[in-house]
Order: sequence, then C-alpha cells, then structure tokens
Amino acid sequence: NAGVTQTPKFQVLKTGQSMTLQCAQDMNHNSMYWYRQDPGMGLRLIYYSASEGTTDKGEVPNGYNVSRLNKREFSLRLESAAPSQTSVYFCASSAVAEQYFGPGTRLTVT
Amino acid sequence: EDQVTQSPEALRLQEGESSSLNCSYTVSGLRGLFWYRQDPGKGPEFLFTLYSAGEEKEKERLKATLTKKESFLHITAPKPEDSATYLCAVQALFSGGYNKLIFGAGTRLAVHP
Repeated sequence: NAGVTQTPKFQVLKTGQSMTLQCAQDMNHNSMYWYRQDPGMGLRLIYYSASEGTTDKGEVPNGYNVSRLNKREFSLRLESAAPSQTSVYFCASSAVAEQYFGPGTRLTVT
Repeated sequence: EDQVTQSPEALRLQEGESSSLNCSYTVSGLRGLFWYRQDPGKGPEFLFTLYSAGEEKEKERLKATLTKKESFLHITAPKPEDSATYLCAVQALFSGGYNKLIFGAGTRLAVHP
C-alpha cells in the first residue's frame, strides 16, 4: 500500500500561472482533504470531500478549486497563483476519524 | 472560537531526559484529540487518538493523556530519533455536519546525544 501519494513534490510558479496538485489514496477512504502548512501556523483546511461526488470549503478556500475525480483521487487547482499561496500543501484521507497524510507539495510563487 | 495551543514552541532535550509537551484546547463538542509526528520535509504521521478525559495511550517511549482542557505527550528517556515536530489536533463538529480537525502550530523537539 502506498497510502496517500501527491505530485509534484516541488513546484515553482510565476504570479498568475495556474497549476493542479494531484492526490491519490489506495486505502478505500471516503473522505479526502487539502491543507496548507505555513511556518508558525497549524495546518489549515482548504477544501474537503466527505465522499465521492461532494466537495466543500474549509477554512481558507479563496484562490483554490478542487475536483473529486473518483473515490481515489482529489485534485487542487490554483487558477491564478499569487505569492501568498507559497506554502507546503498536504493531502489527507480518512475513513472515520484519523486522517492520513501524503508527503506534501512544496509550492513557491514568485 | 475553537482553538488549539501547543507549548513549548521548541524543546531541546538531552538523550534520556524525560519531558512533556502540552496541548491545550477550547472547542465546542470535542469528538477526539489526535497526536501526530512530523519529520522535516514529510507529511504528518498519525500517533494517537484520545476520546475522553482520563484516557491514556502508549507507544514505545511516548504516552498521551487527556483531560477536559488539555492533553500531554510524555516522552520517557528520549532518543535522538524522537527528534521531530509533534502536532496536536482536535476534532470538532463543523456546521455542515463534517468533523473537522483543528491543528496546533506544533512543538519542535530536538534530542541530542
């Protein structure tokens, strides 16, 4: 089992560029999440998907969109990147309570 | 407002020197408290879940405890490989019926030989 996988591991964008972060899990979990982690702050929820076919906003959704492609995959899209979106992005999945995290994508927007 | 505060921000220990990390929380309708370990450049790794005051969980040199207002992660006779950032999170009921996790900023632990 690979658990939760994320691609890419690193990305540098220029302001205004767009990109999609990919996430997949092989644990047959219903729920999936996208977080961002910034220095000195806790993980903050961007979007979540409680089950296939549903998505909802979290704490910091502005500037992002998501797609729950199927039960395994949950992607995060930045339509027009801004320097404030420089961060480390984590995808997670859960069955009931505990969330299991991927290795993260380190994104820099210049 | 739901909030999780971890202290200290950073802790330096000598190998074998036991200590505790604190996680205090204010949340309406606590549904669970979680401890994670995060190594540099990696995603958080799940350690424990605690559901009710008085509950304790142990794993190797780590023991997590829970009261109505805080949780402690006790580290007994730590080794250098225990060096990591330890994250605490509480699970609360979100307005949409979803159980969200609220994370603290973490405690950076460094254990020196």
